Amino acid sequence: GQNIDQPTEMTATEGAIVQINCTYQTSGFNGLFWYQQHAGEAPTFLSYNVLDGLEEKGRFSSFLSRSKGYSYLLLKELQMKDSASYLCAVRDSNYQLIWGAGTKLIIKP
Amino acid sequence: IAGITQAPTSQILAAGRRMTLRCTQDMRHNAMYWYRQDLGLGLRLIHYSNTAGTTGKGEVPDGYSVSRANTDDFPLTLASAVPSQTSVYFCASSRSGGAGDTQYFGPGTRLTVL
Repeated sequence: GQNIDQPTEMTATEGAIVQINCTYQTSGFNGLFWYQQHAGEAPTFLSYNVLDGLEEKGRFSSFLSRSKGYSYLLLKELQMKDSASYLCAVRDSNYQLIWGAGTKLIIKP
Repeated sequence: IAGITQAPTSQILAAGRRMTLRCTQDMRHNAMYWYRQDLGLGLRLIHYSNTAGTTGKGEVPDGYSVSRANTDDFPLTLASAVPSQTSVYFCASSRSGGAGDTQYFGPGTRLTVL
């Protein structure tokens, strides 16, 4: 079967750095996405990786290793507004997104 | 305003009733999707449409139907609602449904079936 694993919850301090991991086992691979979802709101797109390596976008970076079935989302200079759930999703061989359950990130002052 | 709209925002429904969730996008995206989101689970695909006039089944299609008469609208119908269909429903769209395509989400409909 297809599986996306990410930690259920993480806690970090304002101003610090946090890394959210995602491992996947899917039938085929056509890219990995990270989305942010604030409570009661819709998911919003953060990043896309299809080749191995690091993609940097402001305070957020995303890394991919296809051989290891592994990705992480790195958030720097954490702000209170970064408190949200972070969803990892993989596009499979049918071009459908398979989603992890999400990681709830709690930022403390 | 560009984007995706969904209606209603929330609904409480008696079991056995028929319900249609509406979704409209004005981005001229070809592909549209319906997901449900339940606590502790990832988003699960119910149905999708890669272009107007075509639809396909996702991971959890039973009890749901869709139609895609035009590019902008993608309604989801529950023919006879059951309590297990209590969930938050998100509609999404993307340009083509291809490999690098990004999906954009509507605000969601919170449905409670009693």
